[in-house]
Amino acid sequence: GAGVSQSPSNKVTEKGKDVELRCDPISGHTALYWYRQSLGQGLEFLIYFQGNSAPDKSGLPSDRFSAERTGGSVSTLTIQRTQQEDSAVYLCASSLEGSSRLPNTGELFFGEGSRLTVL
Amino acid sequence: GEDVEQSLFLSVREGDSSVINCTYTDSSSTYLYWYKQEPGAGLQLLTYIFSNMDMKQDQRLTVLLNKKDKHLSLRIADTQTGDSAIYFCAERGKGRRALTFGSGTRLQVQP
Repeated sequence: GAGVSQSPSNKVTEKGKDVELRCDPISGHTALYWYRQSLGQGLEFLIYFQGNSAPDKSGLPSDRFSAERTGGSVSTLTIQRTQQEDSAVYLCASSLEGSSRLPNTGELFFGEGSRLTVL
Repeated sequence: GEDVEQSLFLSVREGDSSVINCTYTDSSSTYLYWYKQEPGAGLQLLTYIFSNMDMKQDQRLTVLLNKKDKHLSLRIADTQTGDSAIYFCAERGKGRRALTFGSGTRLQVQP
């Protein structure tokens, strides 16, 4: 598609349930990022995928959070046994990192986010 | 770890200039960015500056970088109501791929 697509746009769940959030990056973008935006907070880095390299999981807040990227394209962020403090907007971004054809300015292209509310 | 700080709120009148400030701690920052987030939308890149530059101008936007003080600013000339949004400062450190973002400055433009 033309931009980064995320689904669902809104998700309300009960505490203790698992949720899956999906991100479809811009076609051809090799790098994919997940960030979390909590009310009044900045963007908190969660995880980064680049091509076939091992992902950078250094931002995942706990082992309840995991993410995978299948076939170097679509990514799924999974939160197990959700807690109320997991309520936030989860933003996905992709970039052309690694391309030798363009200057590597590191510009990230963001989706509109998935708003998660844990009751 | 790396940190990026911004003031939370700025209110200006339409037609005035807006200046949004940002400080960061990572001395190895290579690129610094300003992103804009309109209500209900994702972040969009407004402009960026490479760390060996002091200033960058792009139409109504002027970015100033003081690398010694680790201070970045975004000036918007002739601010319009359509400029009302949250502005995020971000930096990329050398060898790091993930950007570190500030908490965002909410710009309110009053008619």
